Amino acid sequence: DSGVTQTPKHLITATGQRVTLRCSPRSGDLSVYWYQQSLDQGLQFLIQYYNGEERAKGNILERFSAQQFPDLHSELNLSSLELGDSALYFCASSGMDRRGRGSYNEQFFGPGTRLTVL
Amino acid sequence: AQKITQTQPGMFVQEKEAVTLDCTYDTSDQSYGLFWYKQPSSGEMIFLIYQGSYDEQNATEGRYSLNFQKARKSANLVISASQLGDSAMYFCAMREANYGGSQGNLIFGKGTKLSVKP
Repeated sequence: DSGVTQTPKHLITATGQRVTLRCSPRSGDLSVYWYQQSLDQGLQFLIQYYNGEERAKGNILERFSAQQFPDLHSELNLSSLELGDSALYFCASSGMDRRGRGSYNEQFFGPGTRLTVL
Repeated sequence: AQKITQTQPGMFVQEKEAVTLDCTYDTSDQSYGLFWYKQPSSGEMIFLIYQGSYDEQNATEGRYSLNFQKARKSANLVISASQLGDSAMYFCAMREANYGGSQGNLIFGKGTKLSVKP
């Protein structure tokens, strides 16, 4: 168990719909990362948040957005869903405390949310 | 741009033998981190081992070791004494630059599917 939790585990929805994926990082981790894993694109970085602020953006579509809340959990919102959005969505967290101490050379992944768009 | 290349889509190894999974990387950064993750059929991403670009010693974690050849830009994973439970996808990844105290995101290779034969 990595300590990172993601809900829901599975999500089946229809094209055009909107869904929200939720992630709780490991206790004390300030950074949250979202990744998408699909058969054709492989594992791709979407977006990173650090202590509530957006830090980096990868191949994230404009239809997708994310945020990190004061309690450090994060949500990834996917809207106007298309068949091609079907994928496994991972959240990962890494550790750096609020004083900038600690530098964990690991990113801990949650179990993922498997999204199926029909 | 940073890139990770895994040239072996699939590999077979006999149980109890050692196996090497290849990974080459491309970056112009002097400071970077290299990771290996295991993804079993259940889908979770399991951190295996980390190597920092300034680490002089090759990283080891139990049966896993990372053969780091900086000049060749390679970071091969060696699994000793393979077990049936080692059958999985293995991903090599590189951490992009840090941002003001937080760790950067990971860039992943396409993975190698390892099958351990009894």
